[in-house]
Order: sequence, then structure tokens, then C-alpha cells
Amino acid sequence: GQQVMQIPQYQHVQEGEDFTTYCNSSTTLSNIQWYKQRPGGHPVFLIQLVKSGEVKKQKRLTFQFGEAKKNSSLHITATQTTDVGTYFCAGRGGSQGNLIFGKGTKLSVKP
Amino acid sequence: KAGVTQTPRYLIKTRGQQVTLSCSPISGHRSVSWYQQTPGQGLQFLFEYFSETQRNKGNFPGRFSGRQFSNSRSEMNVSTLELGDSALYLCASSLGLPGEQYFGPGTRLTVT
Repeated sequence: GQQVMQIPQYQHVQEGEDFTTYCNSSTTLSNIQWYKQRPGGHPVFLIQLVKSGEVKKQKRLTFQFGEAKKNSSLHITATQTTDVGTYFCAGRGGSQGNLIFGKGTKLSVKP
Repeated sequence: KAGVTQTPRYLIKTRGQQVTLSCSPISGHRSVSWYQQTPGQGLQFLFEYFSETQRNKGNFPGRFSGRQFSNSRSEMNVSTLELGDSALYLCASSLGLPGEQYFGPGTRLTVT
């Protein structure tokens, strides 16, 4: 079945450093979504990418969808302590397929 | 608009019992999905409903079932509870299929 792999599992950074998490699917995705879950909280939707090669920015966050629509990345520039949490990617194999989540990257930021 | 609500928030059950969890989606949202979250397995998809019809189902045993009502509210039921069913059960609603998911706070189920 469809699998979505996410690396790294954990990332510890110093405040101000950059951070990137990568997501790879075993099959072509119709779209990919990114979520953030703060400690003790629930996942919160960040963005959805649909087009091959798409790049979207939200302030210090940059999201990319690969040309083959099988991989994606989230890059945070100059991390802040408010960025702490677990970042999940989630992809659908087809428009009606299951939404499969990666296992997430847990980001900790040292002030 | 009010967010997704889930009841109860916490639940302790004994092995062999059954449990019903409830989810009220954001007003106007017709799709509801359920996920199980554990430290080891992460977020695993259980099922997805749209307009009272189950559209997708994850790879869980038949002990896990769900339904959606005409007002889009949804329930999931787990019968014959096992220790491994201890998890955070998250409900998410979206306007349609496919769509961005708005998660509720979850129900923390502990099976002893």
C-alpha cells in the first residue's frame, strides 16, 4: 500500500538556525498537505500543494512539491522557539484516496 | 465558527469493553475523518465519511467501526477493547473531499 516516509524523525536546532524536513511517497500523490502539532495539542493545517514543482511561502516557511509529485519538503528559515512542535506531511494517492500521514519530524529549538 | 469538538476528552476502559467516541464537525463541513495517534505508529487513518457514506477505510480490524449522521456528526466505536487500543483518537472535518483537515482536540483512550 501507499507509504509516506518522513525524515528526520527528530531535529534539534539553535534558535536562528534553519530547519528542513523531507517527505517521500512510494506512489505519485494528487496533493500533499502539511500540518503542525504543538506539544499536547492537535495537528493544525499549514498548507496544501497540488501542482508539480509547486513552491509556496508563508513568512519564514517554504513548502515545495517535487516535479514527480512523490516528494515534498518544508524549510523554516531562522527558527524561533515558537516553531517547536512536530511537523507532519500527509498525501493522497488519488483525489478520493486515503490521506496518509508521515510519522512526523519533531523540532526542538534551543533559545 | 466553533471548531471541531470531541467527547469525551478522556476515557479509561477495561480490556474487553467497548467504547463510543463522538465528533461534531465545524458547521457546514460534510466530511469527517478519524485517526489513531500513538507514539510508535504516528497518525494512522481509520475511516472517512462524507454525507453519511463511508468513503475510505484504513487498515484496522473490524472491531473499529464508525458512522456519520445526517447533521454530519460522527461516532466511532471500538468493540472488545485491547491494551493496544490505548491512543489519542482524533477527528477531523473538512468542507469536502479532498480538503484540508481541521482537527479536534482528540479523545485520550486508556485501556487497562
